[in-house]
Amino acid sequence: AQSVSQHNHHVILSEAASLELGCNYSYGGTVNLFWYVQYPGQHLQLLLKYFSGDPLVKGIKGFEAEFIKSKFSFNLRKPSVQWSDTAEYFCAAASTGGFKTIFGAGTRLFVKA
Amino acid sequence: ETGVTQSPTHLIKTRGQQVTLRCSSQSGHNTVSWYQQALGQGPQFIFQYYREEENGRGNFPPRFSGLQFPNYSSELNVNALELDDSALYLCASSPVEGSTGELFFGEGSRLTVL
Repeated sequence: AQSVSQHNHHVILSEAASLELGCNYSYGGTVNLFWYVQYPGQHLQLLLKYFSGDPLVKGIKGFEAEFIKSKFSFNLRKPSVQWSDTAEYFCAAASTGGFKTIFGAGTRLFVKA
Repeated sequence: ETGVTQSPTHLIKTRGQQVTLRCSSQSGHNTVSWYQQALGQGPQFIFQYYREEENGRGNFPPRFSGLQFPNYSSELNVNALELDDSALYLCASSPVEGSTGELFFGEGSRLTVL
């Protein structure tokens, strides 16, 4: 069955700490991968995406993610978090040519000022 | 550029009632998808509409139905409401058929079933 798993439900970091959020997917065939973010009081928005090519993708606000096919992983990273990164982060996957995107359960990140 | 808008933002219904949620897609987007997000979970795919037809469906019963109109706006209808239908309902539009690209989300309609 198609699924997306996020390793941590809640993460608390101090400003300037490094961030890595884990994501694993289970999918048959070619898959497109995404990280979405929901800041407090705002709608879900795309942070970054991977379709093909360079497995290290860069998104907005200094975030990056690495696609490791052998591990079925697409982890999100940021070298130094800011208080404004406090949000909920969702990993998501969609099969190429398909019609649905499957989301993980989300990780709530709280950054202490 | 007008983003995805949803209405109403909040509503309360009782078990057994019916509800209609509305969504206006982002300008230039012809595909609309609906998601259910229960508390503490990620969005779950309900169905997608393209060219006014259901293009794909998730694991939701037939009492969840939808429509897409010629202007690409959409409705989600839920009949015979159950307590477990309490959730945030998200509408997402995209500029191409299928949802393999970026989804543009509205702020959602929060439904409470008592």
